[in-house]
Amino acid sequence: EIVLTQSPATLSLSPGERATLSCRASQSISDYLAWYQQKPGQAPRLLIYDASTRATGIPARFSGSGSETDFTLTISSLEPEDFALYYCQQRFNRAPHSFGQGARLEIK
Amino acid sequence: VQLVESGGGVVQPGRSMRLACVASGFTFGSYGMHWVRQAPGKGLEWVAYIWFDGSNIKYLESVRGRFTISRDNAKKTLYLQMNSLRAEDTAVYYCAREFEEFYFDYWGQGTLVTVSS
Repeated sequence: EIVLTQSPATLSLSPGERATLSCRASQSISDYLAWYQQKPGQAPRLLIYDASTRATGIPARFSGSGSETDFTLTISSLEPEDFALYYCQQRFNRAPHSFGQGARLEIK
Repeated sequence: VQLVESGGGVVQPGRSMRLACVASGFTFGSYGMHWVRQAPGKGLEWVAYIWFDGSNIKYLESVRGRFTISRDNAKKTLYLQMNSLRAEDTAVYYCAREFEEFYFDYWGQGTLVTVSS
């Protein structure tokens, strides 16, 4: 089973700052990685897939990069609505489609 | 696109429960569908998957043999039959539409299943 480890667990920043969240896979997953955003009481929302492709309707301030085992989600300039939980997820192996443990982006 | 789950509630350990997810706004019968769960205060955990026509099904190891995913394309409905429920199955259960093979682009609002005596 592929394990995804996200870091840091919590990131405290101010609006307007740049956020960088990491996701490391226990083995190579090529570029088969997605990022999701989840706000309290809401379902997750797909942000990025195949490591770097923005999903429909996602603002350009969100970008993804990386391949093999190391991946990054970058938010170039934080908006108030960006403070949330973020999860990475791999689809390299067909099942289980594991998620990272999540990373909280909080207002400083 | 809308996915609406139902069927959650409180159930005793060892008992059964069936969840349903009604889809609208897209051609349900053309998409693979998944169940993903989230225990209170915890992260996301993929549970089960069914191909667009029901011909291929996968399960998380810890639910295999206890849970059954199925679908009725005529009714645009996805199901999760959960038997022999355990306390560790307590979670919000989301149905999600498959995107680009095993990503999830649309999610329901979730339904809470609480397994407790």
